[in-house]
Amino acid sequence: GNSVTQMEGPVTLSEEAFLTINCTYTATGYPSLFWYVQYPGEGLQLLLKATKADDKGSNKGFEATYRKETTSFHLEKGSVQVSDSAVYFCALSDNYGQNFVFGPGTRLSVLP
Amino acid sequence: DAMVIQNPRYQVTQFGKPVTLSCSQTLNHNVMYWYQQKSSQAPKLLFHYYDKDFNNEADTPDNFQSRRPNTSFCFLDIRSPGLGDAAMYLCATSTNPRQTGLDIQYFGAGTRLSVL
Repeated sequence: GNSVTQMEGPVTLSEEAFLTINCTYTATGYPSLFWYVQYPGEGLQLLLKATKADDKGSNKGFEATYRKETTSFHLEKGSVQVSDSAVYFCALSDNYGQNFVFGPGTRLSVLP
Repeated sequence: DAMVIQNPRYQVTQFGKPVTLSCSQTLNHNVMYWYQQKSSQAPKLLFHYYDKDFNNEADTPDNFQSRRPNTSFCFLDIRSPGLGDAAMYLCATSTNPRQTGLDIQYFGAGTRLSVL
């Protein structure tokens, strides 16, 4: 079945540091890929998405590129802020939306 | 401009006392989902509705039931809560991915359930 693997957290960075959170997936066909963010005590918010190979999703300074050859969708940000502290979930959905799968989540803490 | 609204944000119940969590949406989406999220874990899908078509996950306990009286509302009923059911419960919606081929899910803020 489909699955998503993320780097283990927690990840602790200083403000303005570069962020990478690795995500790899296993899926049949051509899934859509997502990053969701969950701030403390809140639900999940869609951060960015990509629906086909080589697509780059971007939002709020975050980027991720759909790499089919490496089955990866790594999240990056050039300069993190304290307000980026949250849990980040990588997720995929198959072509027909019948199998939406989350990764285990990576907790990011950004220190001032 | 809240689009997926969950009430209440915090719910306390007693062991074995039935409890209902509610979710409403203003997006007019066909699909509504209920997830259970325990501390430091990913959300786990319990069930979902395509319109009125109910789809239960194979490992969802019978203790969990759901109702969708109309497009806008969906309820999660826990018939006899146990201590292990204490968790955050998340509602989400999406347009019909079977037609669009893309399943973007929009989440509510969640209801945190405590079982005493």
